[in-house]
Amino acid sequence: AQSVTQPDIHITVSEGASLELRCNYSYGATPYLFWYVQSPGQGLQLLLKYFSGDTLVQGIKGFEAEFKRSQSSFNLRKPSVHWSDAAEYFCAVHSGGGADGLTFGKGTHLIIQP
Amino acid sequence: DAGVTQSPTHLIKTRGQHVTLRCSPISGHKSVSWYQQVLGQGPQFIFQYYEKEERGRGNFPDRFSARQFPNYSSELNVNALLLGDSALYLCASSLGDSLSGNTIYFGEGSWLTVV
Repeated sequence: AQSVTQPDIHITVSEGASLELRCNYSYGATPYLFWYVQSPGQGLQLLLKYFSGDTLVQGIKGFEAEFKRSQSSFNLRKPSVHWSDAAEYFCAVHSGGGADGLTFGKGTHLIIQP
Repeated sequence: DAGVTQSPTHLIKTRGQHVTLRCSPISGHKSVSWYQQVLGQGPQFIFQYYEKEERGRGNFPDRFSARQFPNYSSELNVNALLLGDSALYLCASSLGDSLSGNTIYFGEGSWLTVV
């Protein structure tokens, strides 16, 4: 069975500083990988996805993520955070098969300090 | 274009009651999935439907059921509600039944409180 670990429950970053959110997955084959963001009381918005090809993926709102097969990781990065980036971030994995759903991590709560 | 729409947005039910949640996918999307998100946790997969057929089911009891209609909208039904069913229920839609380049888009969710 596939699983996702987000080791950091909370992260606090100063506005304008760089950000890296960690994600490790467990899956036997090459997975489909996603990062979603959830603002308080809202649904999930897709930031970026990795299906195949270039291991550095660009997303919306200035986010990027890098797939590292050797480390089973898919860390999310942003060079300079804005106060509006404060939210919950979820990493997810999917097998690509029709019978499966997304498997999510428990999320990382991002706090932005002024 | 409208995104994934869900109704109701909030509801309160009593233990033992039944609830029906509704979802309309993005126009042209034929696959609908349901997820449960308990406070402080990531969403958990409940069901996937494609072309009105159940294609996948997560680890949820038989009290949970769903269906998809000819217009690709979907209902999630939960019987004999328990306090632990209190959660945000998210609906997601995608073009096909497997990813193959598709993206899964989520609605805003239905907040269910069981008292």
